[in-house]
Amino acid sequence: GQNIDQPTEMTATEGAIVQINCTYQTSGFNGLFWYQQHAGEAPTFLSYNVLDGLEEKGRFSSFLSRSKGYSYLLLKELQMKDSASYLCAVTDSNYQLIWGAGTKLIIKP
Amino acid sequence: IAGITQAPTSQILAAGRRMTLRCTQDMRHNAMYWYRQDLGLGLRLIHYSNTAGTTGKGEVPDGYSVSRANTDDFPLTLASAVPSQTSVYFCASSDSAGTGDGYTFGSGTRLTVV
Repeated sequence: GQNIDQPTEMTATEGAIVQINCTYQTSGFNGLFWYQQHAGEAPTFLSYNVLDGLEEKGRFSSFLSRSKGYSYLLLKELQMKDSASYLCAVTDSNYQLIWGAGTKLIIKP
Repeated sequence: IAGITQAPTSQILAAGRRMTLRCTQDMRHNAMYWYRQDLGLGLRLIHYSNTAGTTGKGEVPDGYSVSRANTDDFPLTLASAVPSQTSVYFCASSDSAGTGDGYTFGSGTRLTVV
């Protein structure tokens, strides 16, 4: 079966750095997405990785290792507004997105 | 403002009733999707359409139907609602299946079936 695993919840301190991990087992791979979802709102696109390595976009970076079926999202200089759920999703061989259950990130002052 | 509009925002529905959730996009995206999101579970695909005139079943299609008569509209119908269909429903679109641009989501419809 297809499976994406992420921690259910993480807590971090304002100004710090946090890494959210995602491991996946899917039938084929055509890219990995990270989305941010604030409570009661729709998911919004953060990043896309299709090749191994690190993609940096401001305070957010996303890493992919296809051989390990592994990705992480790195958030630097955490702000209170970063409190949200972070969703990992993988595009399978049929170009369908398979979604993880999301990681709820709690930022404390 | 370009994007996806979903209606209604929320609805309380009696079990057994028929309901259509509306979704309209103005980005001329080819692909559209309906997801449901339940606490503790990831987004689960109900139905999708890769282009106008075609539809396909996702992971949890039972009890739902869709149509794609044109590029912009992708309504989701619950023929006879049941309490297990209580959920938040998101419509999404993408320029084409499998691009790196990601999906654009509507603001969601919160449906409660009683």
